[in-house]
Amino acid sequence: ETGVTQSPTHLIKTRGQQVTLRCSSQSGHNTVSWYQQALGQGPQFIFQYYREEENGRGNFPPRFSGLQFPNYSSELNVNALELDDSALYLCASSSSLGGGYEQYFGPGTRLTVT
Amino acid sequence: GIQVEQSPPDLILQEGANSTLRCNFSDSVNNLQWFHQNPWGQLINLFYIPSGTKQNGRLSATTVATERYSLLYISSSQTTDSGVYFCAVEVRTGNQFYFGTGTSLTVIP
Repeated sequence: ETGVTQSPTHLIKTRGQQVTLRCSSQSGHNTVSWYQQALGQGPQFIFQYYREEENGRGNFPPRFSGLQFPNYSSELNVNALELDDSALYLCASSSSLGGGYEQYFGPGTRLTVT
Repeated sequence: GIQVEQSPPDLILQEGANSTLRCNFSDSVNNLQWFHQNPWGQLINLFYIPSGTKQNGRLSATTVATERYSLLYISSSQTTDSGVYFCAVEVRTGNQFYFGTGTSLTVIP
């Protein structure tokens, strides 16, 4: 069974640029969620994708957007990067929608915005 | 939104000691998980425990959903237990997950 993978592991961008982060879900999982974890804080829920549709969103502006593909992999796109976007971005996959399911996390992408 | 509070925020233990970490949440939840975050940032699943009690080796967890809290027990702690422990809950009213504030555990030899 293949676990959740993310790419790249590290990334440095300049303020105002755009970035795309990628996530491959665990085998058999059809739901992907994205989280932002700033230094010293707990992960904050960005959004969730199920069957290629956004299905739940946290308190993040529209410049945070995503996609889910037919193979259940996912992308997180952030436009007009700001210094405060520097964080660890975590992806989690799970096997069913709502009503209780277990999430499994990838190793994360560490984004630095200068 | 739901409030998820963990206590204590920081904990220092001598190797071999036992500890109890607590997670309080302010609303009904569908799902509760405990994670250990290692120094590289990887979140490692410890328990999926929306209710009841589970044990896995030196670790055990109990969730009392009606009273809106969960406990994580670590017995005979080892230096490799060091790191940050998070609980995370899924609220019943939507597909959103909320992480607690975390407990930073340091186990000294």
